[in-house]
Amino acid sequence: EVQLVESGGGLVQPGRSLKLSCVASGFTFNNYWMTWIRQAPGKGLEWVASITNTGGSTYYPDSVKGRFTISRDNAKSTLHLQMNSLRSEDTATYYCTRGRFVYWGQGTLVTVSS
Amino acid sequence: DVVMTQTPPSLSVAIGQSVSISCKSSQSLVASDKNTYLNWLLQSPGRSPKRLIYQVSKLDSGVPDRFSGSGSEKDFTLKISRVEAEDLGVYYCLQGTHLPYTFGAGTKLELK
Repeated sequence: EVQLVESGGGLVQPGRSLKLSCVASGFTFNNYWMTWIRQAPGKGLEWVASITNTGGSTYYPDSVKGRFTISRDNAKSTLHLQMNSLRSEDTATYYCTRGRFVYWGQGTLVTVSS
Repeated sequence: DVVMTQTPPSLSVAIGQSVSISCKSSQSLVASDKNTYLNWLLQSPGRSPKRLIYQVSKLDSGVPDRFSGSGSEKDFTLKISRVEAEDLGVYYCLQGTHLPYTFGAGTKLELK
């Protein structure tokens, strides 16, 4: 059974950093692109970052480019999202997804507030 | 960026009724490999999103055949025949052809 389990969310002050993790199981992790998607409270979905199966290429929207870094540890089947210079508008539930969005984790809530 | 215009924003339906949701993209979603990466997702209340349909019309495993997707290029439709209570929630279209990937704003399906 495919499982994606996110962790690392919490309350953080504006301008600070936070690192999210997603532990994958039930499939060969290094065969798949992985993606982070977020959802602000009561709002729609927004693509945040994607990484190729080898980790050789990464992709971001302009809203997070230069502040967020997606990475992966294929030996540990773990996906990360390093978030720096956090803003109030980054407040959201962050989901880890596999490949072309067929599997999703339960999400981890990040709240950016003073 | 590709803008995904999804309508209507909400639908009030009776069980057993059929409904359609439209999603129009600001540019063609046909990729260089000739595939069209248009997905439909359902987010049930309090749950993570779940992909229902990929590449316009292909149903994910376990998705009832009451769901169907159609369309091409820039104009896509999700149809639900004979709505059941478990179908309620928010539906999103998602284009995975062009970076940045973009979503429609969602359609909330509620019981009448």
